[in-house]
Amino acid sequence: GAVVSQHPSRVICKSGTSVKIECRSLDFQATTMFWYRQFPKQSLMLMATSNEGSKATYEQGVEKDKFLINHASLTLSTLTVTSAHPEDSSFYICSASRTSVNEQFFGPGTRLTVL
Amino acid sequence: AQSVTQLGSHVSVSEGALVLLRCNYSSSVPPYLFWYVQYPNQGLQLLLKYTTGATLVKGINGFEAEFKKSETSFHLTKPSAHMSDAAEYFCAVTIIQGAQKLVFGQGTRLTINP
Repeated sequence: GAVVSQHPSRVICKSGTSVKIECRSLDFQATTMFWYRQFPKQSLMLMATSNEGSKATYEQGVEKDKFLINHASLTLSTLTVTSAHPEDSSFYICSASRTSVNEQFFGPGTRLTVL
Repeated sequence: AQSVTQLGSHVSVSEGALVLLRCNYSSSVPPYLFWYVQYPNQGLQLLLKYTTGATLVKGINGFEAEFKKSETSFHLTKPSAHMSDAAEYFCAVTIIQGAQKLVFGQGTRLTINP
């Protein structure tokens, strides 16, 4: 149990376009989902926290208009990178948690490359 | 605020040798502590976690960690390294009251020499 999927696993896009990444909890209802960004050989940096049906809470320094997060249901959250630029190229990882469980369950990650 | 420091960005051991990955944390309230493993181009897999109770925690793949409050440490060990243990390891902390806002250490890359 507690499986989280991400789609796509890899995406290449042109500079200026928008890219949507999906994060799904497959076998549980996720009250909270998290989006992380990981640069090569570095740790995970939390970008934002989202609760179902409410606006995401962004970490300091993360542009909310550039990284749009939607948590429309208890099993799906999406991250849209708008007007992507090469510096947005990174590994994006989502995680999900459920009420009363002190653990986050991580997705496999999405490799974004902006040309 | 919570923080995590992993001593050593790269650890190399021989196959069959003891693995010791160090993690120290800072937290103003009792922490929950986690160790995750990440293989290349993959997400994170939970190895083990400490919440409350027994301070020696056993996880998957033969790993264990001991919570030492007096030393603010949560070092990860495995008695005998296997080639498949080669990966990136992350220590993380969050405060009690739910899986909110994990703070990760910098990560330690473990290399196993044949």
